[in-house]
Amino acid sequence: GAVVSQHPSWVICKSGTSVKIECRSLDFQATTMFWYRQFPKQSLMLMATSNEGSKATYEQGVEKDKFLINHASLTLSTLTVTSAHPEDSSFYICSGSTNTGELFFGEGSRLTVL
Amino acid sequence: AQSVAQPEDQVNVAEGNPLTVKCTYSVSGNPYLFWYVQYPNRGLQFLLKYITGDNLVKGSYGFEAEFNKSQTSFHLKKPSALVSDSALYFCAVVNFNKFYFGSGTKLNVKP
Repeated sequence: GAVVSQHPSWVICKSGTSVKIECRSLDFQATTMFWYRQFPKQSLMLMATSNEGSKATYEQGVEKDKFLINHASLTLSTLTVTSAHPEDSSFYICSGSTNTGELFFGEGSRLTVL
Repeated sequence: AQSVAQPEDQVNVAEGNPLTVKCTYSVSGNPYLFWYVQYPNRGLQFLLKYITGDNLVKGSYGFEAEFNKSQTSFHLKKPSALVSDSALYFCAVVNFNKFYFGSGTKLNVKP
């Protein structure tokens, strides 16, 4: 299947700093990418949907100024957690959708905010 | 509204025994249903999907799932469990290309 790569896989940062997570589709063009957040022992929560070249669509309750999403190309989407706080600590997973509608997930990025 | 329910937080089976992980759904229109598996600190891996056609869908690693429209269920099954099947399993429904996941079921396969 198609491969989606996330980087970094693990990041620790100080409170108040910003962290950028990259999501790349390595062998396909993802016109749509999705960002999920997963809390311990819980399911994935869809945060936002991003389409290449346009603004992301955020789910209800997700702060768009807090979680900046950029989808600059068909193979790259980035999530920036701005002014991170300990409650932003979580596992963030991206996924890319192929032109046939199949979804492939990245390995996830674990963010720990001290 | 789209929703998926996985009624069991955890399923315990002995190696070699059949396993079932339950999933029920609520969607408007025809459902697109998926099963994913997640290993610790990893992303999700696709197992199988139902879009249309045969109600019994076969997927990766010997898993299969049966779509039951009358019961609005899409239970995941495997005839003979392996210890390596131990992981977290998510059922998902898709609507307008958005995935909505169930709460997950932890499968424990004991030797």
